[in-house]
Amino acid sequence: SQKIEQNSEALNIQEGKTATLTCNYTNYSPAYLQWYRQDPGRGPVFLLLIRENEKEKRKERLKVTFDTTLKQSLFHITASQPADSATYLCALDSDNYGQNFVFGPGTRLSVLP
Amino acid sequence: DTEVTQTPKHLVMGMTNKKSLKCEQHMGHRAMYWYKQKAKKPPELMFVYSYEKLSINESVPSRFSPECPNSSLLNLHLHALQPEDSALYLCASSQELLASLYEQYFGPGTRLTVT
Repeated sequence: SQKIEQNSEALNIQEGKTATLTCNYTNYSPAYLQWYRQDPGRGPVFLLLIRENEKEKRKERLKVTFDTTLKQSLFHITASQPADSATYLCALDSDNYGQNFVFGPGTRLSVLP
Repeated sequence: DTEVTQTPKHLVMGMTNKKSLKCEQHMGHRAMYWYKQKAKKPPELMFVYSYEKLSINESVPSRFSPECPNSSLLNLHLHALQPEDSALYLCASSQELLASLYEQYFGPGTRLTVT
């Protein structure tokens, strides 16, 4: 069956360290992955999109990689800050026609001062 | 203006009531979405509209009825809901359906409680 997994439900790290979040998928062949941030009681906010022909994408302190062989995307936040504390969701389009968007379960990141 | 607005913010309704959720965007986006999100779970896609036509209906019960009166507005009509329908209902929009090119912009959601 099709499945998206994110490495852990919750992740605690110390301020200033690099947070690494993992998104693994099974029985999908996504042409891209998107990453979103969601704060409690709010809608998700888009962070980064990476396509299958791109190995790595960066935006300020954020970096995402995409390995179609491993069926995995890694999301990194460098020099993490308490304001980075939120739930991070990976998402893909299950049929690649842009219609059937599926989110992973999310990782709740807490950056401790 | 990169904002998606949703009204109301909170809604409490009985199982026999009829109510509607509203969503609006003025970014010229041609794709709009309804998601349902239960506590500590990811958003689940319910409906997709593209150019005001219903494109996806993810086997959602008929007590939820979407409507797209024009390219800026999206409604979700609710009737005879069950307590398990209590959730955060999120609206989103994107420039087009091609999610390999366009990200989704989400509204703040409507917190629905069915009593």
